[in-house]
Amino acid sequence: GAGVSQSPRYKVAKRGQDVALRCDPISGHVSLFWYQQALGQGPEFLTYFQNEAQLDKSGLPSDRFFAERPEGSVSTLKIQRTQQEDSAVYLCASSLVLFGEKLFFGSGTQLSVL
Amino acid sequence: AQRVTQPEKLLSVFKGAPVELKCNYSYSGSPELFWYVQYSRQRLQLLLRHISRESIKGFTADLNKGETSFHLKKPFAQEEDSAMYYCALGYNFNKFYFGSGTKLNVKP
Repeated sequence: GAGVSQSPRYKVAKRGQDVALRCDPISGHVSLFWYQQALGQGPEFLTYFQNEAQLDKSGLPSDRFFAERPEGSVSTLKIQRTQQEDSAVYLCASSLVLFGEKLFFGSGTQLSVL
Repeated sequence: AQRVTQPEKLLSVFKGAPVELKCNYSYSGSPELFWYVQYSRQRLQLLLRHISRESIKGFTADLNKGETSFHLKKPFAQEEDSAMYYCALGYNFNKFYFGSGTKLNVKP
C-alpha cells in the first residue's frame, strides 16, 4: 500500500461508549506502535507489537485500553467506556525491523469524546 | 526517567536566516536520537537520526553527550521548512519518547 493507513480519520463518541480504531501497517513491517497525542503535545507511547506479540503495553493509561494484532498485520486499539480525557489523536506507526529503524506514521484518528 | 525537552513552542525566523531548534534529553543509557517533522496536513515523518550523521534538506544535528543535547540546525532557512518539529529519544529497543514539539515559522 501507500503507507500506514488508519481508520476512521475522525471519531466522535459519547462518554461511556466503546470505540475501535484500526491500523493497517505497511506490508511486511514487523513492528507496530500505538501513540496518543494530546493537543499541543508530542506523541506518547501506548503499546508495541512485534508481529502478533504485544511485547510492551506499559503506556496504556488504564485497563479500558486494549490493543491487538492477531495475525501480525492489522491492529485494533479499543477503548472501552470512553472518557473526555481520552480525547486525542491516536497515531499508529510501523517499522520494518526492530529498534533503530525509522517509524512510518499513519495520519492518525482524531477521537473526540463528548 | 527518560525525558526530552524542547524549550521553544514557536520559533519564527526570516527566510535565509540561520535556524536552531533546541532539544535536550535525559537518559542514563546510550541514547538514540531522532528528529521528526510534520508539515501542514501531512503525517509525521523522520527527518534525521543521529546514528546516520547525515544532512537532510540542509538540516544537521549533532549529539552532544556532555550537554545532553541534540539541537537541529540549518544555516539558511527556507519557507518550505515551516512545520512542526519533534525531537525523539529511542530507548529499550522499542520505545520512542517524543518532545512536545517546536513550531518553526519561516517568514518571507
